[in-house]
Amino acid sequence: QKEVEQDPGPLSVPEGAIVSLNCTYSNSAFQYFMWYRQYSRKGPELLMYTYSSGNKEDGRFTAQVDKSSKYISLFIRDSQPSDSATYLCAMSGGAQKLVFGQGTRLTINP
Amino acid sequence: GAVVSQHPSWVICKSGTSVKIECRSLDFQATTMFWYRQFPKQSLMLMATSNEGSKATYEQGVEKDKFLINHASLTLSTLTVTSAHPEDSSFYICSARRGAGNTEAFFGQGTRLTVV
Repeated sequence: QKEVEQDPGPLSVPEGAIVSLNCTYSNSAFQYFMWYRQYSRKGPELLMYTYSSGNKEDGRFTAQVDKSSKYISLFIRDSQPSDSATYLCAMSGGAQKLVFGQGTRLTINP
Repeated sequence: GAVVSQHPSWVICKSGTSVKIECRSLDFQATTMFWYRQFPKQSLMLMATSNEGSKATYEQGVEKDKFLINHASLTLSTLTVTSAHPEDSSFYICSARRGAGNTEAFFGQGTRLTVV
């Protein structure tokens, strides 16, 4: 079993829809949770950074962490074609290396 | 967010030659830098972790004599692919983390290496 599980998709939704992306994990030591967006042939771009459980909102993006269920989510509201990319969840236990999910390929159709 | 600059963005080299990739943190001091390799449609594979002024820690299966990592300053780390072969062709990405206890990691733009 992988430490971090993420459905690779692909996921295709119409423009304006709410997108829900999720990851589950098995290591209870993880405390720091991140979501990255990666366009083709580019480096990942940090979207959201969350410590421990709770919600965090930034514009159209909302990150949720449920440590009791070992489950994290990223919601994208009013999705745009420019949101089409691969979304990677990542997490760590502190001063340790990041552990990444496989990435979900998302396409927003105009 | 913080800026990490990686150079070059793409490079083509002949088999048997060496290639150096640079990773710079432009607006912060990076105590730790990471080097990843990414195959098409796959996630990032960590190759090594480097801390300023000390030897890099390589992941299992990564040849340290082939992938030389130097982290000479708090803003610069380099990855040198020595005696490159076509199977080393890949997308290499660096990331940098600010300070101890802060685990936000920022990524460079990536380097596409093609060995012919």
